[in-house]
Amino acid sequence: SQTIHQWPATLVQPVGSPLSLECTVEGTSNPNLYWYRQAAGRGLQLLFYSVGIGQISSEVPQNLSASRPQDRQFILSSKKLLLSDSGFYLCAWSRGQGTSAARGYTFGSGTRLTVV
Amino acid sequence: KQEVTQIPAALSVPEGENLVLNCSFTDSAIYNLQWFRQDPGKGLTSLLLIQSSQREQTSGRLNASLDKSSGRSTLYIAASQPGDSATYLCAVGLYSGAGSYQLTFGKGTKLSVIP
Repeated sequence: SQTIHQWPATLVQPVGSPLSLECTVEGTSNPNLYWYRQAAGRGLQLLFYSVGIGQISSEVPQNLSASRPQDRQFILSSKKLLLSDSGFYLCAWSRGQGTSAARGYTFGSGTRLTVV
Repeated sequence: KQEVTQIPAALSVPEGENLVLNCSFTDSAIYNLQWFRQDPGKGLTSLLLIQSSQREQTSGRLNASLDKSSGRSTLYIAASQPGDSATYLCAVGLYSGAGSYQLTFGKGTKLSVIP
């Protein structure tokens, strides 16, 4: 069965510090991978998605970047955090294009980031 | 641009009641629709996935319907329990211009079931 791991669960970082959040998927190959942010009182906002190694698409211009160094690894980064980067970050995967399996997302457990 | 709206934003019901959560979307060219549950401070748990060719899906006390032509979906919860208290999110799946599959989310309905 497929599982998705996301860490850390919580993080408190000072303004201007770097960020690295990691997400890995097990039990599948060539997944589509996604990073979402959920700010207090707002809906889920798609930040980045990836359909393959090294392929990153950004949905919203911002202080963050994403990388996919391996097929089942997705990393969210920032060189210098802003207060506005605080939020709940969620990683998700779906089956890659071309498969006949029913699609849909499976989410990780999330990272609560507080920038102080 | 696809927009997803969920009504009501919050709902409080006594235990045992049947209830309906509503979701509407502006672009009917969807691939599928997924309902999630989110407990406070937690990730999203998938409840039901309806493909665009389907009318409904059922899992236990949950039943989700889809009317693609009118841009609506409902999540029906039978015999509600305090453990059903959570935020319920509706999301529509479609392909982006770049060919990738993406979900667009509503802001959710926060459900409280009172014992």
